[in-house]
Amino acid sequence: AQTVTQSQPEMSVQEAETVTLSCTYDTSESNYYLFWYKQPPSRQMILVIRQEAYKQQNATENRFSVNFQKAAKSFSLKISDSQLGDTAMYFCAFMNRGSQGNLIFGKGTKLSVKP
Amino acid sequence: DSGVTQTPKHLITATGQRVTLRCSPRSGDLSVYWYQQSLDQGLQFLIQYYNGEERAKGNILERFSAQQFPDLHSELNLSSLELGDSALYFCASSVGVEGSEAFFGQGTRLTVV
Repeated sequence: AQTVTQSQPEMSVQEAETVTLSCTYDTSESNYYLFWYKQPPSRQMILVIRQEAYKQQNATENRFSVNFQKAAKSFSLKISDSQLGDTAMYFCAFMNRGSQGNLIFGKGTKLSVKP
Repeated sequence: DSGVTQTPKHLITATGQRVTLRCSPRSGDLSVYWYQQSLDQGLQFLIQYYNGEERAKGNILERFSAQQFPDLHSELNLSSLELGDSALYFCASSVGVEGSEAFFGQGTRLTVV
């Protein structure tokens, strides 16, 4: 069975600095997706970034980028120029291609951005 | 705003009761997914419907059922409620069946007392 592990329950960062959130996963599949979702206090689950396993190039969305290491089964999220609005729970998630929406989530990392 | 609408936002009910959670997907999306977020289990996939048909099942209890109607809205029915069913229930939707780019609603907070 696939599992997703986020080893950092809580992190904090100063505004304007850079922070990296860790995620490892376990799977025997070769074709899958990886995601980072943000859940602010409003509870909304917001897709931050998505990576397709067959793509070697790391995904980037504005201040958010990932470091995808397929062999190591690692998928970390880097947030540059952190902003107060980045304060949220961040969930790493895995989905097997063809599993039709069966997202497997990690336990989450609570990120606090301090002024 | 993701475009996915869930009602109600909050629900408080007693053990043994039955409730229905409603989800309207984004315009044009054919797939609807239900997830449960609890303190014990974290976020878990429950079930997926695509264009009215059940397509995938996750850790959904037998006391729970769902359906998707011709207008594509979906309902999640929870019966014989237990204290442990207290959780945030999310609906998500996507255009295709694969769910690789699903958008989540704001969730329904269910409290069973």
